[in-house]
Amino acid sequence: AQRVTQPEKLLSVFKGAPVELKCNYSYSGSPELFWYVQYSRQRLQLLLRHISRESIKGFTADLNKGETSFHLKKPFAQEEDSAMYYCALHEAGTALIFGKGTTLSVSS
Amino acid sequence: DAGVTQSPTHLIKTRGQQVTLRCSPKSGHDTVSWYQQALGQGPQFIFQYYEEEERQRGNFPDRFSGHQFPNYSSELNVNALLLGDSALYLCASSRGPNQPQHFGDGTRLSIL
Repeated sequence: AQRVTQPEKLLSVFKGAPVELKCNYSYSGSPELFWYVQYSRQRLQLLLRHISRESIKGFTADLNKGETSFHLKKPFAQEEDSAMYYCALHEAGTALIFGKGTTLSVSS
Repeated sequence: DAGVTQSPTHLIKTRGQQVTLRCSPKSGHDTVSWYQQALGQGPQFIFQYYEEEERQRGNFPDRFSGHQFPNYSSELNVNALLLGDSALYLCASSRGPNQPQHFGDGTRLSIL
């Protein structure tokens, strides 16, 4: 069963438009969730973790335990945000469980 | 700090062969995790090493094995290679088993 679901394979928006990358998870305990990003020709890197509740590059993500979601949001997309975004769940006693990823394409 | 380094960058093997991939963790990190990323998929957890022992393992057959050395570097070994083993193999290191992971560039393994 899919533990981390990213329903959109591709999300295309115009520069300045709001962005929401969806992530739903399945986990019975207290989850620890992350967003990782991979820019073109770069390695996978950590963007956000839910426990830090910070904003990185204008992105925020709130854990909604009722809806089991951890959507990534940005009010105004920039062209440099174009990348592959992965939502990941840290399950106690293991490493990370990743979703299949969403490609964000921001055009001018 | 070079971060997590993996070698080789690319590798081509044939079915039935064996392969060893290598990973040096980021400075100060003592935990190494390995992932397999097939085309169009997210990374899948293979196993994690901490204190030179396999701490946790994902849903991969025994053909996949590993090792961690006293300097925290690690190897991933795959025996009896299958066509389906073709993927990008990622190594990630962290300062402890439950800390945020930093990824390397990966090794692209192609099986002919």
